Amino acid sequence: GDSVTQMEGPVTLSEEAFLTINCTYTATGYPSLFWYVQYPGEGLQLLLKATKADDKGSNKGFEATYRKETTSFHLEKGSVQVSDSAVYFCALSDSYNNNDMRFGAGTRLTVKP
Amino acid sequence: DAGVIQSPRHEVTEMGQEVTLRCKPISGHDYLFWYRQTMMRGLELLIYFNNNVPIDDSGMPEDRFSAKMPNASFSTLKIQPSEPRDSAVYFCASSTGVNTEAFFGQGTRLTVV
Repeated sequence: GDSVTQMEGPVTLSEEAFLTINCTYTATGYPSLFWYVQYPGEGLQLLLKATKADDKGSNKGFEATYRKETTSFHLEKGSVQVSDSAVYFCALSDSYNNNDMRFGAGTRLTVKP
Repeated sequence: DAGVIQSPRHEVTEMGQEVTLRCKPISGHDYLFWYRQTMMRGLELLIYFNNNVPIDDSGMPEDRFSAKMPNASFSTLKIQPSEPRDSAVYFCASSTGVNTEAFFGQGTRLTVV
């Protein structure tokens, strides 16, 4: 079945450092890919998405490119801030698999001043 | 729209009691998902509905768990009898399907003592 594998955390960075969180997927069809963010005590919020190969999703300085050849959707940010500290989830939704939303295990990011 | 609404936000109950969690999806969304989040297992998909019909309940841990969606604007997740290991945050999410993002509620933090 469809699945998402993402880099295990926790990840600790200093402010203004470069961030990469790796995400790879397996899917039956042609899924849409997502990154969600969860701040402490809150639900998951959509951060960015990409619906087809080579699409780049971006939001709040975060970017991820849908790479079909490597089945990857790595999250990047050039300069992280303390306020980016949260748990990040990679996810997919596959219309060939009844559109259920599958999530990775989550990666906890802590940014220190 | 107010977004996905879950109630209660917090629930503390004694082992053996029945617990009912409630969810109101975003109007017009055809898909509804129930997730459970714990430190040990991360975010797990329990069950999801399409047009009020359960599509996949393979994530429901055991017969003590049941979910219903009597109409397009309401769903319940019931645990009977509850056990301490059921303690977790339970999220409801909804989407329009077709490779679109899911919108999450704030979650219900369940503690079974």
